[in-house]
Amino acid sequence: SQTIHQWPATLVQPVGSPLSLECTVEGTSNPNLYWYRQAAGRGLQLLFYSVGIGQISSEVPQNLSASRPQDRQFILSSKKLLLSDSGFYLCAWSVGVPNEQFFGPGTRLTVL
Amino acid sequence: QQQVKQSPQSLIVQKGGISIINCAYENTAFDYFPWYQQFPGKGPALLIAIRPDVSEKKEGRFTISFNKSAKQFSLHIMDSQPGDSATYFCAASNRGSTLGRLYFGRGTQLTVWP
Repeated sequence: SQTIHQWPATLVQPVGSPLSLECTVEGTSNPNLYWYRQAAGRGLQLLFYSVGIGQISSEVPQNLSASRPQDRQFILSSKKLLLSDSGFYLCAWSVGVPNEQFFGPGTRLTVL
Repeated sequence: QQQVKQSPQSLIVQKGGISIINCAYENTAFDYFPWYQQFPGKGPALLIAIRPDVSEKKEGRFTISFNKSAKQFSLHIMDSQPGDSATYFCAASNRGSTLGRLYFGRGTQLTVWP
């Protein structure tokens, strides 16, 4: 069966520090991968998506970037965090039926 | 522009009652409508989904009703339980899209009182 992992689970970072969040999927090949952000009490904002290794598309211009170095690995990064980057970051995958997305457990990021 | 509009923002229901959450969309190319359930601190989980070739889909206590002409769909939770207290998101998508992007509603926070 397929599983999705995210780490770290929680992170507290100072403003201006770098960021690296990792997402890995097991039990499937060539998945579509997605990064979402969820601000407190709000909906899901799609940040990045990838249909293959090295293929990244951005939905919202910001100081975040994403990379897909391996088929089942998706990384979200920032060189300098802003206060507004705080939120709950979710990775999701889909395969076969592209619309059927499955979410990871999320990473809670607090920028102070 | 919000592709999918969801209401209400919050809902309080007594145990045993029926919870109803509504969503509306504009894009007639949408042909896949899932609902996700999210508990605090967890990722959303796919709950139930419907395609527009049927008007209703039922799984246990959860039912999706779909009205293609009105471009609306809703989630009904029968015999609501305190364990159903969570945030629910509707979404819509075009299954013909290779990306499979989901357009989410803003969510409904459901509280079921014992």
